[in-house]
Amino acid sequence: QQQVKQSPQSLIVQKGGISIINCAYENTAFDYFPWYQQFPGKGPALLIAIRPDVSEKKEGRFTISFNKSAKQFSLHIMDSQPGDSATYFCAAPSKGGYQKVTFGTGTKLQVIP
Amino acid sequence: DTGVSQDPRHKITKRGQNVTFRCDPISEHNRLYWYRQTLGQGPEFLTYFQNEAQLEKSRLLSDRFSAERPKGSFSTLEIQRTEQGDSAMYLCASSFSLAGGTDTQYFGPGTRLTVL
Repeated sequence: QQQVKQSPQSLIVQKGGISIINCAYENTAFDYFPWYQQFPGKGPALLIAIRPDVSEKKEGRFTISFNKSAKQFSLHIMDSQPGDSATYFCAAPSKGGYQKVTFGTGTKLQVIP
Repeated sequence: DTGVSQDPRHKITKRGQNVTFRCDPISEHNRLYWYRQTLGQGPEFLTYFQNEAQLEKSRLLSDRFSAERPKGSFSTLEIQRTEQGDSAMYLCASSFSLAGGTDTQYFGPGTRLTVL
C-alpha cells in the first residue's frame, strides 16, 4: 500500500504570505502527482497536478515543485488570500494499481487578514 | 458538463439499516471511483469501475458493501446492516482515459452518512 506523508497538519499564514505544504511518497512506477483543495462540506477539487518530466509546474499563484530522487513534492501558494483557506491534499499513484491514487492526510490552511 | 453529482447529500440512518447512494459521473467518463473520507483524513479508495466492470476493490470494502455500475453510466453503493463505524463522507469521482495510467479524477460533493 502506498504511503503518502503530508506535512504540516495545519498551517496559519498571513495574507500575502507564502504557504508551503510538503509531501513524501514511496515507490511508484507511475508519475502523476495531483493536489486537491477541499472546502468544508464539499468534495475535493483538483487544484494542480504534475507529471514529473519537469521539476516544477506553475499555474497562477500555485506552484508544484518535484524532487524525484528524494520522492518529495511540495505545493507553494504565493500571495496567499483568505479565500485560499481550505484543506489541501496531495496524492500519489498507488502501488499495484495504476488507476488509483493514495491521498495524504491533508493540511488545513488558514490565511488570516 | 454539470460535473459529478451524488445523491443524497446527507443520510441519517439507524444501525442495522441498509442504505444506497447514487453517483452520476461526468458524461462520457469511463472510469468511476468510490472513496470514503472520515474527519481529518484524506479520501480512502474503496472501489473502481472501468465502464461497467468493477476492476478493483479495497480491503476496506467488507461483504456488507456492494457497488454496481450498470451500463457503465451511473453507479450505486449499497451498505447493508450499517454500523456506527460506517459513518463517513462517501465520495464518488470519475475520469476519462483511453489507455492505462493515472488520470485526473473529478470528485462529486459527497454523501455524508451518519449511523445512529
